[in-house]
Amino acid sequence: DAGVTQSPTHLIKTRGQQVTLRCSPISGHKSVSWYQQVLGQGPQFIFQYYEKEERGRGNFPDRFSARQFPNYSSELNVNALLLGDSALYLCASSERTSGPNTGELFFGEGSRLTVL
Amino acid sequence: AQSVTQPDIHITVSEGASLELRCNYSYGATPYLFWYVQSPGQGLQLLLKYFSGDTLVQGIKGFEAEFKRSQSSFNLRKPSVHWSDAAEYFCATAGGTSYGKLTFGQGTILTVHP
Repeated sequence: DAGVTQSPTHLIKTRGQQVTLRCSPISGHKSVSWYQQVLGQGPQFIFQYYEKEERGRGNFPDRFSARQFPNYSSELNVNALLLGDSALYLCASSERTSGPNTGELFFGEGSRLTVL
Repeated sequence: AQSVTQPDIHITVSEGASLELRCNYSYGATPYLFWYVQSPGQGLQLLLKYFSGDTLVQGIKGFEAEFKRSQSSFNLRKPSVHWSDAAEYFCATAGGTSYGKLTFGQGTILTVHP
């Protein structure tokens, strides 16, 4: 069975540009979450989507946006890139958003963004 | 707001030695707690989780963790470390609600000497 897949795996952008990152959840999973992991730090929560609705947003500026499609895949968009946006962007999926019986996030391998 | 602290940035152990990675949480009620492992260039893999009930939780790869409310801790342990355990380990909490919105610690890098 395919796990969480993310694309692209690596990309380089320049300041001011825009980037779109894509995520396909595990089949049957309806919740997708996005995390930013800066080198040397733990992942930081950006967004969570469930059934195409935003269920949570972390402390990130409005330059960050996301959406979830009818097939539950998701895109993360970052506008007006800054040097500080250089990071590993992780996508995670789960069956639902709460309840101990489904309490596991499955992470993809991430998209590494470098902003020059 | 919930938070977790991992006091040790880097730990080095010899292969075959026991391991304990520390995690302290801050949350008013009983939190959801997790331990994840990340190998270089990889995503995160769940080792174990605690929601309620038995305070000693068994996970994959021979890891276990103990929830201690009195100490606000959720330390990860392994009785005998293998070279393949070298990785970065993250403690995380979801507070008491949605585990899609995890708060991670800064991580502990584990180095294993032969």
